[in-house]
Amino acid sequence: GAVVSQHPSRVICKSGTSVKIECRSLDFQATTMFWYRQFPKQSLMLMATSNEGSKATYEQGVEKDKFLINHASLTLSTLTVTSAHPEDSSFYICSARQGSGGGEQFFGPGTRLTVL
Amino acid sequence: AQSVTQPDIHITVSEGASLELRCNYSYGATPYLFWYVQSPGQGLQLLLKYFSGDTLVQGIKGFEAEFKRSQSSFNLRKPSVHWSDAAEYFCAVGPGVTGGYQKVTFGTGTKLQVIP
Repeated sequence: GAVVSQHPSRVICKSGTSVKIECRSLDFQATTMFWYRQFPKQSLMLMATSNEGSKATYEQGVEKDKFLINHASLTLSTLTVTSAHPEDSSFYICSARQGSGGGEQFFGPGTRLTVL
Repeated sequence: AQSVTQPDIHITVSEGASLELRCNYSYGATPYLFWYVQSPGQGLQLLLKYFSGDTLVQGIKGFEAEFKRSQSSFNLRKPSVHWSDAAEYFCAVGPGVTGGYQKVTFGTGTKLQVIP
């Protein structure tokens, strides 16, 4: 099946620094990539949807200036958490979809971000 | 707007016993329906999906789910649970063929504990 990777799997940073998380589709071209945030013992919350070559669409309540998303190629999307604070600590998961429509999303393994 | 309800937050079953995880959805037309499994600290793995056709869907690891339009349900079942099935299970709904903005909504998850 299709494989999606995320890097890093775990990152610890100081408050005020920026952190970049990469999401790659390894064996397919991802027309659309999604970024989710998961709080402990909670479900996934969609943060934004990005289509290759265009600006990401953010969900209500998600600060686009804080969570910068770039989808420069069909196999790579990045999420940059700018000026991270402890409340940004969370599990971030990306997913990628090959075509349009409600087709299957393939999920990355997630990135655990801890902000000290 | 679409929504998903997983009424059971936590379920405990004995190894070898049968399992049914409940999922109810709300969507105006025929949705796409998914079940995912998440092990601790991991991303999501797709167990099965329903797009159209046969309402009884077979998935991986011996799981199956049945789409019941009249009940707006998509319950996940397994006849005999193994200890390795202990994980968190998420039901998700996505817009079907006629959907516009293709966003998948996740339920809050059901944590499965398997006892010897």
